[in-house]
Amino acid sequence: DVKVTQSSRYLVKRTGEKVFLECVQDMDHENMFWYRQDPGLGLRLIYFSYDVKMKEKGDIPEGYSVSREKKERFSLILESASTNQTSMYLCASSRLNQPQHFGDGTRLSIL
Amino acid sequence: GQQVMQIPQYQHVQEGEDFTTYCNSSTTLSNIQWYKQRPGGHPVFLIQLVKSGEVKKQKRLTFQFGEAKKNSSLHITATQTTDVGTYFCAGSDMTTDSWGKFQFGAGTQVVVTP
Repeated sequence: DVKVTQSSRYLVKRTGEKVFLECVQDMDHENMFWYRQDPGLGLRLIYFSYDVKMKEKGDIPEGYSVSREKKERFSLILESASTNQTSMYLCASSRLNQPQHFGDGTRLSIL
Repeated sequence: GQQVMQIPQYQHVQEGEDFTTYCNSSTTLSNIQWYKQRPGGHPVFLIQLVKSGEVKKQKRLTFQFGEAKKNSSLHITATQTTDVGTYFCAGSDMTTDSWGKFQFGAGTQVVVTP
């Protein structure tokens, strides 16, 4: 069974901090995704990656960056956290055009 | 850019009743996926539709892809309390985005009254 593991279930940080969210998948998937989920807005794509060191902006990339140095790991970075980045963050992985497998999510609070 | 809209946003259903949730895209889709997210959980894949007019069934769930490949529906018969959750559709347009990026709708949150 595909396993997508996010490093933290809950995280509390302060405004201005640099925040790292980590995601690891164990199925050798090419594609990896970072979404944020807010009530009434569904899942909005922040960034995705289709190969090691390759990335593309999603719909809401502002204030975020990503890193994919190894195929199994995709990191989301909040360069300088702000309160409007308080949200649920979901990582997913998939083969090309195949179903996405999601992690359990990280509920991030920025104080 | 591609927009995927879902209606209704909320659906209150009496146990045993049927309901339908709809997904509409501003562009023609290559394929569409449906996911279910239980309260407190993460989205879980249900099904993928690829062909124009395709209909697929999973027990009490019936999924349909429109002839023009711009809309889709999920119909649930004889709703049970286990159907509680948020249902998302996600569409992909491979002609403009060959990397398999999917645009998610905002979801339909389903509440079932016993």
